[in-house]
Amino acid sequence: EVQLVESGGGLVQPGRSLRLSCAASGFTFDDYAMHWVRQAPGKGLEWVSGISWNSGSIGYADSVKGRFTISRDNAKNSLYLQMNSLRAEDTALYYCAKDVSSGPFDAFDIWGQGTMVTVSS
Amino acid sequence: EIVLTQSPGTLSLSPGERATLSCRASQSVSSSYLAWYQQKPGQAPRLLIYGASSRATGIPDRFSGSGSGTDFTLTISRLEPEDFAVYYCQQYGGTFGGGTKVEIK
Repeated sequence: EVQLVESGGGLVQPGRSLRLSCAASGFTFDDYAMHWVRQAPGKGLEWVSGISWNSGSIGYADSVKGRFTISRDNAKNSLYLQMNSLRAEDTALYYCAKDVSSGPFDAFDIWGQGTMVTVSS
Repeated sequence: EIVLTQSPGTLSLSPGERATLSCRASQSVSSSYLAWYQQKPGQAPRLLIYGASSRATGIPDRFSGSGSGTDFTLTISRLEPEDFAVYYCQQYGGTFGGGTKVEIK
């Protein structure tokens, strides 16, 4: 079964850091680009960051550029999002999503169930 | 950065009716790199349409996508009870539209 499972979310104070992880299974992870997409409570979807199969192409939304870093470990079938200098507006459900191609970036055909990040003092 | 504007914000229809959802881009979207997703409450989004008009695996043929350049449309020919949800368009690998909620009238 193709599956993406996110972890690492939680309650964090403004200005602090958090690292999200996404464990992939059921497909050849290093054949595909991967992404993080977030959704603030009651709001729409916002693409956060994407990474090609070999990490050669990486992109970020302007809202997180310079604060967030995406990475992947193909040997561990895992995707990561290092989030620094967190702000209240980063509060959201963070989804991991699989691209239909190896990259740069295409449509997203498989999604995890998300991990919630709450930034509050 | 391309901005995607979806309309209407909410569409109130009855089961069996036809739904027409619009997605307009602020600049031309290259080579129809446009996707549509469905999201139901408490669930992750699901890919419906890619390449502006190709249905994803397992998507019923009542869903169809069309358009090019800056104007794209998602059509649901006859609404089934399970189709009431929020729909998002997306430029490949990036910007999402604000969404259209299809609700039961």
